[in-house]
Amino acid sequence: AAGVIQSPRHLIKEKRETATLKCYPISRHDTVYWYQQGPGQDPQFLISFYEKMQSDKGSIPDRFSAQQFSDYHSELNMSSLELGDSALYFCASSFGESAGSPLHFGNGTRLTVT
Amino acid sequence: KQEVTQIPAALSVPEGENLVLNCSFTDSAIYNLQWFRQDPGKGLTSLLLIQSSQREQTSGRLNASLDKSSGRSTLYIAASQPGDSATYLCAVIGYGGSQGNLIFGKGTKLSVKP
Repeated sequence: AAGVIQSPRHLIKEKRETATLKCYPISRHDTVYWYQQGPGQDPQFLISFYEKMQSDKGSIPDRFSAQQFSDYHSELNMSSLELGDSALYFCASSFGESAGSPLHFGNGTRLTVT
Repeated sequence: KQEVTQIPAALSVPEGENLVLNCSFTDSAIYNLQWFRQDPGKGLTSLLLIQSSQREQTSGRLNASLDKSSGRSTLYIAASQPGDSATYLCAVIGYGGSQGNLIFGKGTKLSVKP
């Protein structure tokens, strides 16, 4: 079965540019989560969506926004990129937002800001 | 504020050894705890999820235990193989947090030598 798909796999942007990362959850999963993992760091929760509504918010900068669409895919929009935004961005999905079912992670998008 | 610590940070063992990875958390009011595996540059693979009411979970050669009162979890890997080489992360969800708002430890990097 197909897992969580993220695109692109790699992205190189310059400072002050914008970037859009996409996440396609596992079929029938209605909840997506975004995480940021800096070099040598543990993943940090950014934001989550359940049934196309924002369900929780973590350490997401104001320069970032995200949404979940009717087909449950999600996009993370990042503006005014900074060097410190260089990281691996993970999307995860689950069926339902209540704790109990494990999260399934994608392979991530590696963003490099130069 | 919940903090998750994993010891050791790195571990190298010869093939065939049984080994234990440790995870501790400061706030025992957790909803569940998950163990993940992360290969270099890749996403997170969920290995085991333990609900707060459970004491352990098993999957193949893996066994995870949870002692909520002492704030500890262990991941036991039996008969280790070179393919087990990866970084192992544990993560907890506290009460009131959503499923995606996982708080991760910094991981244990495991190397299994043939």
